[in-house]
Amino acid sequence: DTAVSQTPKYLVTQMGNDKSIKCEQNLGHDTMYWYKQDSKKFLKIMFSYNNKELIINETVPNRFSPKSPDKAHLNLHINSLELGDSAVYFCASEKGGFHTGNTIYFGEGSWLTVV
Amino acid sequence: DQQVKQNSPSLSVQEGRISILNCDYTNSMFDYFLWYKKYPAEGPTFLISISSIKDKNEDGRFTVFLNKSAKHLSLHIVPSQPGDSAVYFCAASANGNEKLTFGTGTRLTIIP
Repeated sequence: DTAVSQTPKYLVTQMGNDKSIKCEQNLGHDTMYWYKQDSKKFLKIMFSYNNKELIINETVPNRFSPKSPDKAHLNLHINSLELGDSAVYFCASEKGGFHTGNTIYFGEGSWLTVV
Repeated sequence: DQQVKQNSPSLSVQEGRISILNCDYTNSMFDYFLWYKKYPAEGPTFLISISSIKDKNEDGRFTVFLNKSAKHLSLHIVPSQPGDSAVYFCAASANGNEKLTFGTGTRLTIIP
């Protein structure tokens, strides 16, 4: 069973479109994240949710909106896609709160290409 | 199926000694490996990487060793310092693919 699953794994779409990436974790973790991997393989945190509540919202454009219908899901919706949004997006989950410093389970990543 | 495994969830090391963090992988297509460091309440930050054409890469106190035949890599930190206490993630990618596959991390605690 995959602990953290993201869909779709690959997505090619045109500029201006709206798209969503879904994430689900079956670990019973309280905290979920979205990270963006840049071209240098650096990971930048975008959002963090704890028990469906937004904890961290880093400086990302308003076009990015996370939605957490329950603590097992954290979906990322992106409006009006731009070329610069092309990246790999990782979902992750962590047991306990954001400050616990526990190990994190990463999803496989979703590779978004905007053309 | 975990393609990148860090079998030790935690590790404690005395300050000044060597810390060795291990990582195993199963996918023989992986050709680029990275280590990330994560403090509580922060996202992971890139630490050091190694390409499969090398078996060692060194950057200051950090050295990564790659044993391709064993599908094993390790991160050595020497000497260990209190600021090294963090969770360390191993990650791998294949054939220039931008996507990374992560291990679950090892929490390193440096004891003063």
